[in-house]
Amino acid sequence: DSGVTQTPKHLITATGQRVTLRCSPRSGDLSVYWYQQSLDQGLQFLIQYYNGEERAKGNILERFSAQQFPDLHSELNLSSLELGDSALYFCASSPTGYEQYFGPGTRLTVT
Amino acid sequence: EDQVTQSPEALRLQEGESSSLNCSYTVSGLRGLFWYRQDPGKGPEFLFTLYSAGEEKEKERLKATLTKKESFLHITAPKPEDSATYLCAVISNFGNEKLTFGTGTRLTIIP
Repeated sequence: DSGVTQTPKHLITATGQRVTLRCSPRSGDLSVYWYQQSLDQGLQFLIQYYNGEERAKGNILERFSAQQFPDLHSELNLSSLELGDSALYFCASSPTGYEQYFGPGTRLTVT
Repeated sequence: EDQVTQSPEALRLQEGESSSLNCSYTVSGLRGLFWYRQDPGKGPEFLFTLYSAGEEKEKERLKATLTKKESFLHITAPKPEDSATYLCAVISNFGNEKLTFGTGTRLTIIP
């Protein structure tokens, strides 16, 4: 158990809908990272927050957004969902900016 | 752009048969190289961080080494419970703290 929690574990929704994925980092970790893992793309970095501020963006679509709240939990919002958005979404946290500890993931299925 | 290539894609070993997994990387200044283990449907589990050429880290039957161009994950006398996908990732000195992952080596240990 990494200490990072993610909810929900599974999410099934229809195309065009909007969903919110939630992540609680390890106690004391200020950095939160979001990654997407699909069969054909592997693990891809989406976005990083540090102590409530956006720090870095990767290959994140404009339909996706995230935020980190004062209690350091983070949410990833995915809207206008397409079939291709079906994937595992992982959150990770880090105390140092080096090793990142991953949560169990949310499996999103868009039908 | 940072790149990570892992080989082989898949490896089947008999229990007790030692071997090595390879991770080749191209990065503009290496801040760190990371090894993770991922079981199906689960989040990546942090194993090692290596920072500079010549460095080695060990944990149970696993040993990670680093050169200027590649890293090896040596598995000694593996057991069936070592079966998993092993992921290599790098963080560059330039830019943000995102992990750039390889596509992994799927290791199967046959009893």
